[in-house]
Order: sequence, then C-alpha cells, then structure tokens
Amino acid sequence: GNSVTQMEGPVTLSEEAFLTINCTYTATGYPSLFWYVQYPGEGLQLLLKATKADDKGSNKGFEATYRKETTSFHLEKGSVQVSDSAVYFCALGNTGNQFYFGTGTSLTVIP
Amino acid sequence: EAGVAQSPRYKIIEKRQSVAFWCNPISGHATLYWYQQILGQGPKLLIQFQNNGVVDDSQLPKDRFSAERLKGVDSTLKIQPAKLEDSAVYLCASSSGLAATYEQYFGPGTRLTVT
Repeated sequence: GNSVTQMEGPVTLSEEAFLTINCTYTATGYPSLFWYVQYPGEGLQLLLKATKADDKGSNKGFEATYRKETTSFHLEKGSVQVSDSAVYFCALGNTGNQFYFGTGTSLTVIP
Repeated sequence: EAGVAQSPRYKIIEKRQSVAFWCNPISGHATLYWYQQILGQGPKLLIQFQNNGVVDDSQLPKDRFSAERLKGVDSTLKIQPAKLEDSAVYLCASSSGLAATYEQYFGPGTRLTVT
C-alpha cells in the first residue's frame, strides 16, 4: 500500500539553527513527493515537490531530495527564521491519482 | 487570481443531524478534491473529481457521506447523519490537472464540531 511517515513533533529551534524533518514513504509504482506547509491561520500550500528519483525540490531556502534507495524525502533548511514557524506535511501522489499525507510536524522557531 | 473558497468556515451540529459544505475551486481548475483532517492527523482524501466525474471515492464513507460537482465547477459535500467521529476540518483543494504531479491549491477549510 501507500503511506507516509514523518517525524513527530513538535520541533522547537532557535533562529538560524539547521532544520531537518524526516519523511519516509511506502508506495507502489513511482510516486511524486511533496512538502506542504500550513502557516498559522492560513490554508495548506505547496512548499516544494520532486517527481522522480534523485530530483531535488527547493523553495524559500528549503530543500528535499527524492531518495528511492532509502524511500525518503527529508526536508532541510540551513538557517531557520521565526517566519518559518508552521506545520509541515510530507505527501505522496501515486500513479493512481491518490494522495497520502503524513501526520504533520509542527515547527516553532524562537528568536 | 481568487483562491479556493469554502463555506461555512465553522459549523456546530448535534449527532444524527445533517450538514453540507460548499467549495468553489480556482477558475479553470478541472480537478477538485475533498479531504478530512482530524485534529493531530494529516489530511485524508475523501473524494476526487475530474470536471463533474468522480475519479476516486474509495475512502469516502458512502453510507453517510455524499459529494457532487454537477456542473464541473463548484462542489458540495454532505454528511447525513453525522457522528461524533466526523468532527474534523474539511478541506477542499483544486488543481489544473489530474496527474499526481500537479500542485493542489487548498481552501481555508470548514471546521465541523459534532456534539
């Protein structure tokens, strides 16, 4: 079957710290992988995506690389800001047009 | 460009009552999704439309949930009768294509509380 597992939160970091949020997946076929973000009081929005193995998605200083060998899509940022405080969701879309989201990881960045 | 619109934003009902949610997707988006997000969990896809046809409704509890998209534009999701475990945020999303690689644009959601 298809599923996404992401690290549990909440995560609290100081400003300018390095961020990693782990995400692993189980999928049939060749899925596309996504990170969505939900800022406080706002709706979900796409942060980045990768559609095939070894692709790197990047946006707003965040990066994630599609690793087929480890079935992972870890989210990283070198230096977080207070404005990055949000809930981050890893997701996969498979060739059957189905979508699966992880449970979300809450990030709080303190000044 | 206007985003995905949903109404109402909040709804409180008693168990066994019925409720309906409305969604208007981004203009021109052929694909529309309804998700259920229970507190502390990720969104779970309930149903997916391509224009006015159902692409996937395998996770929709069809004994109490129904959804339609009659003219291929806006959509309604109905619950009848509601149960306590239906308390959740119901999210609508749309995308310009059907394939799993397309970005989904989400509405603000409707928070349902069943008492």
